[in-house]
Amino acid sequence: AQRVTQPEKLLSVFKGAPVELKCNYSYSGSPELFWYVQYSRQRLQLLLRHISRESIKGFTADLNKGETSFHLKKPFAQEEDSAMYYCAASGSARQLTFGSGTQLTVLP
Amino acid sequence: EAGVTQSPTHLIKTRGQQATLRCSPISGHTSVYWYQQALGLGLQFLLWYDEGEERNRGNFPPRFSGRQFPNYSSELNVNALELEDSALYLCASSFRGRGGNTIYFGEGSWLTVV
Repeated sequence: AQRVTQPEKLLSVFKGAPVELKCNYSYSGSPELFWYVQYSRQRLQLLLRHISRESIKGFTADLNKGETSFHLKKPFAQEEDSAMYYCAASGSARQLTFGSGTQLTVLP
Repeated sequence: EAGVTQSPTHLIKTRGQQATLRCSPISGHTSVYWYQQALGLGLQFLLWYDEGEERNRGNFPPRFSGRQFPNYSSELNVNALELEDSALYLCASSFRGRGGNTIYFGEGSWLTVV
């Protein structure tokens, strides 16, 4: 079965500290991997996707096919990074399967 | 460019009634997806429409149905409403171009069943 796992429901870090949000997937074939973010009272929005290999707002994510992971990282967290982060995968069926999300809080 | 728009923003219905939610995709997008975000259950895939056809559905009972119109807008219908149908219903759209399939979300419609 297709599954995306985010093991941490809650994650708190101090401002300026590195942050890593974990994501593991179980998917047949070669899925596309995404990170979505939902800031308070805003819509769910795309943060980044593995195909583009880009860095958005200082976040990066590396696809590790051997470990079937797609962890999201940022070297220096900012208070405005506090939000709900969802990892998602899309296979041949094209719809996204989401993880359960990680609520990141960046403390001052 | 306008994003995905959904209506109504909020809807209150009584158990047993029917609810209809509407979605307009981003211009040029042909695929529409519906997701349910219930408290404590995360984002659950409901339905996917592309070019007017239902392409896939999630693990939801048949009383969840919908359609996609020729202009690619879509509506989600929930019949025989139950209390546990109370949730945020998100619509998303995509266009499969070069570079992969990126899905963009609307702000959602809050459905409350009392």
